[in-house]
Amino acid sequence: KAGVTQTPRYLIKTRGQQVTLSCSPISGHRSVSWYQQTPGQGLQFLFEYFSETQRNKGNFPGRFSGRQFSNSRSEMNVSTLELGDSALYLCASSLRVINTDTQYFGPGTRLTVL
Amino acid sequence: DAKTTQPNSMESNEEEPVHLPCNHSTISGTDYIHWYRQLPSQGPEYVIHGLTSNVNNRMASLAIAEDRKSSTLILHRATLRDAAVYYCILWRAGNMLTFGGGTRLMVKP
Repeated sequence: KAGVTQTPRYLIKTRGQQVTLSCSPISGHRSVSWYQQTPGQGLQFLFEYFSETQRNKGNFPGRFSGRQFSNSRSEMNVSTLELGDSALYLCASSLRVINTDTQYFGPGTRLTVL
Repeated sequence: DAKTTQPNSMESNEEEPVHLPCNHSTISGTDYIHWYRQLPSQGPEYVIHGLTSNVNNRMASLAIAEDRKSSTLILHRATLRDAAVYYCILWRAGNMLTFGGGTRLMVKP
């Protein structure tokens, strides 16, 4: 079974631009979660989608948004990019809701904001 | 919000057991305790999770205190491949999830 895939793997943007990251979960998984990882803040939870509905949301500004499609694929969008948004963005999928289930992480998208 | 506290780093000798502690004194009754680890340049990897009872799997054991205010991840025989950052995480349905800062485990041959 193929693992979680994320595209693109690397991205360079400038301040003020917006970016869309994509995540394809493991086949059959209905939950997709997004995380931001930086050297200073560590691993931080962004949001979780389950069956196209946002179930959980972390403490991030409204510039960070996401959605999930009927095939469980998910996209994350960051608008009006700031230098501090430079990070590794990780996507994870699970069969059921994340509090009781195992998550499988993708390799991440490395975003650099100049 | 519930928080977790972990030591920044720990060191172990190869082939010896390792006990990684996590403090979560503000845990709520329905919060699940999960452990993930992250090897260099990789995404996090699931290790184990539990609610109230101790749990065992092929990778590790999870010992949960009776009052649930702390837990310990036990690697029975550390190998060099176990060198990673270990995260203790509380999952709460319908609410914000909490991550600890992680413990960097170093394994000496």
